[in-house]
Amino acid sequence: QVQLQESGPGLVKPSETLSLTCTVSGGSISSYFWSWIRQPPGKGLEWIAYINYSGSTNYNPSLKSRVTISIDTSKNQLSLTLSSVTAADTAVYYCARHDSVVIAATRAYPLDSWGQGTLVTVTS
Amino acid sequence: DIVMTQSPLSLPVTPGEPASISCRSSQSLMHSNGYNYLEWYLQKPGQSPQVLIYLGSIRASGVPDRFSGSGSGTDFTLKISRVEAEDVGVYYCMQDVQSPRTFGPGTRVDI
Repeated sequence: QVQLQESGPGLVKPSETLSLTCTVSGGSISSYFWSWIRQPPGKGLEWIAYINYSGSTNYNPSLKSRVTISIDTSKNQLSLTLSSVTAADTAVYYCARHDSVVIAATRAYPLDSWGQGTLVTVTS
Repeated sequence: DIVMTQSPLSLPVTPGEPASISCRSSQSLMHSNGYNYLEWYLQKPGQSPQVLIYLGSIRASGVPDRFSGSGSGTDFTLKISRVEAEDVGVYYCMQDVQSPRTFGPGTRVDI
């Protein structure tokens, strides 16, 4: 059973850069797509970006200018950086795996495994 | 971006009774392959979300058959045939027919 664990500073100052790592265990990071998703306290879910095992990325346009995601297959880790943070970036940040399911020659990529999430608070 | 809406936003339920949540999208979620790229997730209290349904109606591995998804185009429904106590939490629909993936606001289900 694959497990995902997010890690990083719980507090970040306004205007600084948030950096998080997601360590994948119990399975290879290769051959899958991976996403970062965030959830402000008491609010809903926002998809940030995804990356595949070869490093191809896709970003939410609302955050694209400030976000970078990367993958290190040798360490089985994903990384997320978000620059110029404000209080609006305070959230629980999740990494999640996209399963790859084939149904009648059609592929779907549901988010089948999630980390427990890590709360990042932006405060001075 | 595709805007997802859900109703109701809060749903009191009774164990053993059925429950239904509606999800609507601002654009069709039907891909050219004929499938609807709509997923349902449940976030139980204090937990990370877990996938229930993908491609509109296909139950994810390990999901009890009391959960079913239906709908096409812009209108979708998640049904629980007989609610159990463990089904409480916030249910989200999410589209992945078009980037960026977008979630509905969530429906809180309480007993």
